[in-house]
Amino acid sequence: NAGVMQNPRHLVRRRGQEARLRCSPMKGHSHVYWYRQLPEEGLKFMVYLQKENIIDESGMPKERFSAEFPKEGPSILRIQQVVRGDSAAYFCASSPTGEEDQPQHFGDGTRLSIL
Amino acid sequence: AQKVTQAQTEISVVEKEDVTLDCVYETRDTTYYLFWYKQPPSGELVFLIRRNSFDEQNEISGRYSWNFQKSTSSFNFTITASQVVDSAVYFCALSDRTGNQFYFGTGTSLTVIP
Repeated sequence: NAGVMQNPRHLVRRRGQEARLRCSPMKGHSHVYWYRQLPEEGLKFMVYLQKENIIDESGMPKERFSAEFPKEGPSILRIQQVVRGDSAAYFCASSPTGEEDQPQHFGDGTRLSIL
Repeated sequence: AQKVTQAQTEISVVEKEDVTLDCVYETRDTTYYLFWYKQPPSGELVFLIRRNSFDEQNEISGRYSWNFQKSTSSFNFTITASQVVDSAVYFCALSDRTGNQFYFGTGTSLTVIP
């Protein structure tokens, strides 16, 4: 599958635990975006990364959330000490150049449920 | 500020009817791009179309057509002869040169009744 790969597809955590969401971009894409979709809402931008760099994290909460896109391996969105309000679908998208005219190709998302 | 409005939250149509999904956008940039995505019940996001701000030609792809009108800042999506498989949430999105993100509308949930 040459598309954007996200795992896990579903993740259940208890309050206070850590959640790690992974995203492998499409082959040849070095620009990764993370979005959050709350129930019955549109997607909200969280963070934009290139390899080893965070370009724009203006949509990411300042506390408990972090993201990385290492030189080797997938991009990781990490949520520490999860709370009920973190329950959402988290989508990763990638594009080849990061230019605004390029469609962002999305993965299937990770549905995070907090007990 | 950039904003995308999809005023129709939910639409139900009977199979074979035509349906139009509305999208209104705001941006100060003169160069921008508009997109439609489909999110079927399985949850993934499927890219449907991209339109740039300099190309106001309408586009048709099979039963799908898109009407871009700069004068009213709208980029509406019409499905002709709807089918049950068209049932999904449809998102309109905007990107421009001022930001690194796509701005999404809240989506329109379309149900096609057999």
